Amino acid sequence: LAKTTQPISMDSYEGQEVNITCSHNNIATNDYITWYQQFPSQGPRFIIQGYKTKVTNEVASLFIPADRKSSTLSLPRVSLSDTAVYYCLVGDPSGNTGKLIFGQGTTLQVKP
Amino acid sequence: GAGVSQSPSNKVTEKGKDVELRCDPISGHTALYWYRQSLGQGLEFLIYFQGNSAPDKSGLPSDRFSAERTGGSVSTLTIQRTQQEDSAVYLCASSSGQGNAKNIQYFGAGTRLSVL
Repeated sequence: LAKTTQPISMDSYEGQEVNITCSHNNIATNDYITWYQQFPSQGPRFIIQGYKTKVTNEVASLFIPADRKSSTLSLPRVSLSDTAVYYCLVGDPSGNTGKLIFGQGTTLQVKP
Repeated sequence: GAGVSQSPSNKVTEKGKDVELRCDPISGHTALYWYRQSLGQGLEFLIYFQGNSAPDKSGLPSDRFSAERTGGSVSTLTIQRTQQEDSAVYLCASSSGQGNAKNIQYFGAGTRLSVL
């Protein structure tokens, strides 16, 4: 499974757009990029998944360049409730298990 | 149910005792996963079920850990002769296990295990 690298922490202010970039230089052809969010004392929550170009849902956007060696999670107009740990994962959903390999994640602190 | 349910939410036990942790996945989800999260750490994969079979047990840390799933639904993670290093939050997740959705897993709130 491809290893990911992302910043350990980020600070932002309410109303700003936050971009968290993840590096995955060894991503394989069949790998998808998936982002999860985790609040204290809760299990992770799926945010968004993509393979290439851009994916957008009601929560976030995911930008993936053509070489797929990195991806950027974009959170528009964050609020205090977006303070959480954000995990970037890559994996092949067509593989035998689909087990997720979580790194340390990025701790986002949103300030008033 | 509406989501993944885990019980108990908290478990305090003495070193050497056995514990059982339960997971009720989302109805209809064929894939079920157990993970462990130590304080301030990322998640560590333990075991994966597809239906009642466990094709990937590679994450179980020792033979004191075992898990089963019955009826393609409820799963139980058992830790025998608990040790203090077993203290962690044990998370269960389920997914439809189909195609690209296999990476989309729905997690329960976890069981916080404390071994004294």
